[in-house]
Amino acid sequence: KAGVTQTPRYLIKTRGQQVTLSCSPISGHRSVSWYQQTPGQGLQFLFEYFSETQRNKGNFPGRFSGRQFSNSRSEMNVSTLELGDSALYLCASSFFVIAGKETQYFGPGTRLLVL
Amino acid sequence: AQTVTQSQPEMSVQEAETVTLSCTYDTSESDYYLFWYKQPPSRQMILVIRQEAYKQQNATENRFSVNFQKAAKSFSLKISDSQLGDAAMYFCAYRSGRTNAGNNRKLIWGLGTSLAVNP
Repeated sequence: KAGVTQTPRYLIKTRGQQVTLSCSPISGHRSVSWYQQTPGQGLQFLFEYFSETQRNKGNFPGRFSGRQFSNSRSEMNVSTLELGDSALYLCASSFFVIAGKETQYFGPGTRLLVL
Repeated sequence: AQTVTQSQPEMSVQEAETVTLSCTYDTSESDYYLFWYKQPPSRQMILVIRQEAYKQQNATENRFSVNFQKAAKSFSLKISDSQLGDAAMYFCAYRSGRTNAGNNRKLIWGLGTSLAVNP
């Protein structure tokens, strides 16, 4: 079974631009979560989608948004990029079972550099 | 709010020897799940082992085992017979077992321990 895939793997943008990252979950998984990883803050939860609906949201500004399609693929968008948005963005997929019980499986990440 | 603490930013071990990585957490909940993830230089986050808080038995996966002390809120990872391929960042993570669909579903992470394996 194919794992979680994320595209693109690397991105370089400039301040003020916007960016869209894509995540395809493991076949059969309907929950997709996004995390931001930086050296200073570690791993922080961005949001989770299930059945095309945002179920949970972390403490990020409104510039960070996402969506999920009917095939469970998810995209996240960051508008008006700031230098501090440079990070590794990780996507994880899982079955949506009882909260916490299922295991999340991660993609390889998208490394975003904002200049 | 729940927190996860990994007090060892870096550790090293000789190949074939045993190493233990520490993790403590703070929570007022009684039902939760704990995870160890490994992140090698490729940056792919890989699940190593998971533990359900309601289970007293410590989880094991081949050379990886945990020492789960619920009262002490401690969840350490023991790697036996260390191999060069074990070199990576190791993250401890917590997830609430509450059944509502709020933010309790997110993983809460420690800052990681960088493990070096010396030949």
